[in-house]
Amino acid sequence: RKEVEQDPGPFNVPEGATVAFNCTYSNSASQSFFWYRQDCRKEPKLLMSVYSSGNEDGRFTAQLNRASQYISLLIRDSKLSDSATYLCVVSDNRDAGNMLTFGGGTRLMVKP
Amino acid sequence: GAVVSQHPSWVICKSGTSVKIECRSLDFQATTMFWYRQFPKQSLMLMATSNEGSKATYEQGVEKDKFLINHASLTLSTLTVTSAHPEDSSFYICSAFPGLAGRWGQFFGPGTRLTVL
Repeated sequence: RKEVEQDPGPFNVPEGATVAFNCTYSNSASQSFFWYRQDCRKEPKLLMSVYSSGNEDGRFTAQLNRASQYISLLIRDSKLSDSATYLCVVSDNRDAGNMLTFGGGTRLMVKP
Repeated sequence: GAVVSQHPSWVICKSGTSVKIECRSLDFQATTMFWYRQFPKQSLMLMATSNEGSKATYEQGVEKDKFLINHASLTLSTLTVTSAHPEDSSFYICSAFPGLAGRWGQFFGPGTRLTVL
């Protein structure tokens, strides 16, 4: 079983749609959680950290359920520029100064 | 803030040669940097953790004599792929942890695409 599992997709959605990605992690001692975005042939870029209380950044909402070891990312009003691979990332260190464990990524394609 | 650079951005070399990749934190000091490798359509896999002033810690299955890591200063780590072979062709990415108050997560360099002929 992979440490961090994601549905690879692709998710093909029209502009303006709402789309949700899910992620599960196996290490119950994990301390910090993130969503990264990776464009084709580019490096991953931090999209947002994920907090237990849930957090929102514009059109993006992240949720964490520690009991179920489950993380989600909701994107509202999808834009063409949201097309990318979204990586669920977990660390066993509180501030992620330690190694990161990456999920396989979920590919999103937003169509006109 | 929290900018990480890599050099070169791409390299093509012949089988058997060695390639050095530099990773620099431009606006912060990083006692720890990380080296990842990503094959096409796969996620990032951690190769090693690079600690300033000490030996790198390698992940299982990564040959330390083949992938030499030197963390010479708080802003520079280098990865040398020795005697490169076609199977070493990959996207190599470094990351650094800025350790800034209120800033969580690691920040990645733009990556180095290595092609070994």
